Amino acid sequence: EPEVTQTPSHQVTQMGQEVILHCVPISNHLYFYWYRQILGQKVEFLVSFYNNEISEKSEIFDDQFSVERPDGSNFTLKIRSTKLEDSAMYFCASSQSTTDYGYTFGSGTRLTVV
Amino acid sequence: KQEVTQIPAALSVPEGENLVLNCSFTDSAIYNLQWFRQDPGKGLTSLLLIQSSQREQTSGRLNASLDKSSGRSTLYIAASQPGDSATYLCAPLNQAGTALIFGKGTTLSVSS
Repeated sequence: EPEVTQTPSHQVTQMGQEVILHCVPISNHLYFYWYRQILGQKVEFLVSFYNNEISEKSEIFDDQFSVERPDGSNFTLKIRSTKLEDSAMYFCASSQSTTDYGYTFGSGTRLTVV
Repeated sequence: KQEVTQIPAALSVPEGENLVLNCSFTDSAIYNLQWFRQDPGKGLTSLLLIQSSQREQTSGRLNASLDKSSGRSTLYIAASQPGDSATYLCAPLNQAGTALIFGKGTTLSVSS
């Protein structure tokens, strides 16, 4: 069964550093998403991306965050200057058609900011 | 703003019991609703997708229902097994079709 692949599985970074989280969505999917889950809390929406532009973002997704689809297969989330409170599990998801097929999630990247 | 509530927050049962997990949402203008399973420290596995025009969806021992007008969905698990132990998450898709909004989940523990 096709999978959404996320790398790395765990990243430790120093406060103030930039990090890039990588995702390879399912190949025929058109819609891409990032979510995060702070330890012990619920999964929170960050951003949705379609046709090479952001279609919706939450209030969490401020100027420190950006997304990019640099080529036909990768989808990245960049955090420019990490804060302690950015420590969380970050999930990438993709969908062929959000209304008909639902989302497929990756296994996540655990980001630890020290 | 969509708010999703899942009840109970935690549930412990012996193997073999039939279970009902409840989900309620405040904005009934949704496209569909997806149920997920999350194992500790892991990603989200899709269990069932119910379209807003559907009332029920079944997969094996799982059955999900949706009452969009009252803002409720239930996940029924038949003949529970220890391998069903996980957190179950309910997520309606907003009307724009751009974001799933999650509840905090129900953490299920099934003992053998």
